[in-house]
Amino acid sequence: AQTVTQSQPEMSVQEAETVTLSCTYDTSENNYYLFWYKQPPSRQMILVIRQEAYKQQNATENRFSVNFQKAAKSFSLKISDSQLGDTAMYFCAFMIHSFGNEKLTFGTGTRLTIIP
Amino acid sequence: DSGVTQTPKHLITATGQRVTLRCSPRSGDLSVYWYQQSLDQGLQFLIQYYNGEERAKGNILERFSAQQFPDLHSELNLSSLELGDSALYFCASSVATGPNYGYTFGSGTRLTVV
Repeated sequence: AQTVTQSQPEMSVQEAETVTLSCTYDTSENNYYLFWYKQPPSRQMILVIRQEAYKQQNATENRFSVNFQKAAKSFSLKISDSQLGDTAMYFCAFMIHSFGNEKLTFGTGTRLTIIP
Repeated sequence: DSGVTQTPKHLITATGQRVTLRCSPRSGDLSVYWYQQSLDQGLQFLIQYYNGEERAKGNILERFSAQQFPDLHSELNLSSLELGDSALYFCASSVATGPNYGYTFGSGTRLTVV
């Protein structure tokens, strides 16, 4: 079974600073996907960024980037130039590359607060 | 608006009762997924349907059932409700099986069992 661990229950950072959220996972699979989802106070689950395990290049989406270390089974999210709208719960999630079974396994989340 | 519509947004009901949660997927999406988010269990996968057929099952209780209809909307039925069933229930959809297409989540149904 796959597990996802987020060891930082809460974090806070000043606006415009850079913050890194940690995520580790455990799996015996070789082909999989990793995701970061954002859940603001509105409760909506919003996909932030996606990484395919077979790609060595780290994914980036504007101010969001990941540091994917496959051997270490680590998948951290870096938010640059943080904005007040980044305040949210952030969930790391894992999905095996298996057609017909695309369930997401989530971590417990990190509550991020951006301080004005 | 994500394009995935869940109704109702809030539901309050008593223990022992039965409720139905409804999900309309994003236009063109064939797969529907149900997740439960509770304080003690976090986000848990319940079940997946693809084009009307059940594709994968997670930690879904026997008191819970789901189906996907020909128009692709899905319903999650929760019966003999217990206090512990109080949670946020999410529906998500994707265009086809395969994670390359990604998930789009609805805004959830907040169920409170009293």
